[in-house]
Amino acid sequence: GENVEQHPSTLSVQEGDSAVIKCTYSDSASNYFPWYKQELGKRPQLIIDIRSNVGEKKDQRIAVTLNKTAKHFSLHITETQPEDSAVYFCAASISHFGNEKLTFGTGTRLTIIP
Amino acid sequence: GAVVSQHPSWVICKSGTSVKIECRSLDFQATTMFWYRQFPKQSLMLMATSNEGSKATYEQGVEKDKFLINHASLTLSTLTVTSAHPEDSSFYICSARDRQGSYGYTFGSGTRLTVV
Repeated sequence: GENVEQHPSTLSVQEGDSAVIKCTYSDSASNYFPWYKQELGKRPQLIIDIRSNVGEKKDQRIAVTLNKTAKHFSLHITETQPEDSAVYFCAASISHFGNEKLTFGTGTRLTIIP
Repeated sequence: GAVVSQHPSWVICKSGTSVKIECRSLDFQATTMFWYRQFPKQSLMLMATSNEGSKATYEQGVEKDKFLINHASLTLSTLTVTSAHPEDSSFYICSARDRQGSYGYTFGSGTRLTVV
């Protein structure tokens, strides 16, 4: 089955600087890669996603890049703000009915230092 | 947008008793429901996947007789933790998806289970 590795496990960044979180996946059939932000005791919140037919996607301060050949994808947050502090999870799945199974990475605790 | 309502949000039960957690899709048909467990400071681990009207498929290491999943309708799935023990204390969260994946993976708000 799919295995998703995520690094780093913790990340502290000065407010205004950029943060980068990296993930690798094992199943070359995976074609959907979402990123979630989770605050303590809350549900994961989708912040951005990318499909395998796209190499990069950006939404304001957040961007995701995908390298299918190397099977890795990254989350980039620019101009970080204190409210960006949370745990971030990458995930991978095969987006096809009957075969979907969202596998999560191990998570990154991001702390923005004011 | 798509919403999944999960209840209860928290529950405390005694060892040996059973607890039922419900997830309802409010404005879409949850063809597939995923059930996750999350221990403190850890990732979400998939327990099982169920398609409406079919038996659930459990991940390796998850006891199907202990974690009973029912997905009898397109809007309701339940997870029953039977004969709960303290080690079952965790955050349980469901995620629903319609056949076309129209709304991606829609998560419930989670249930904090504490077994005493």
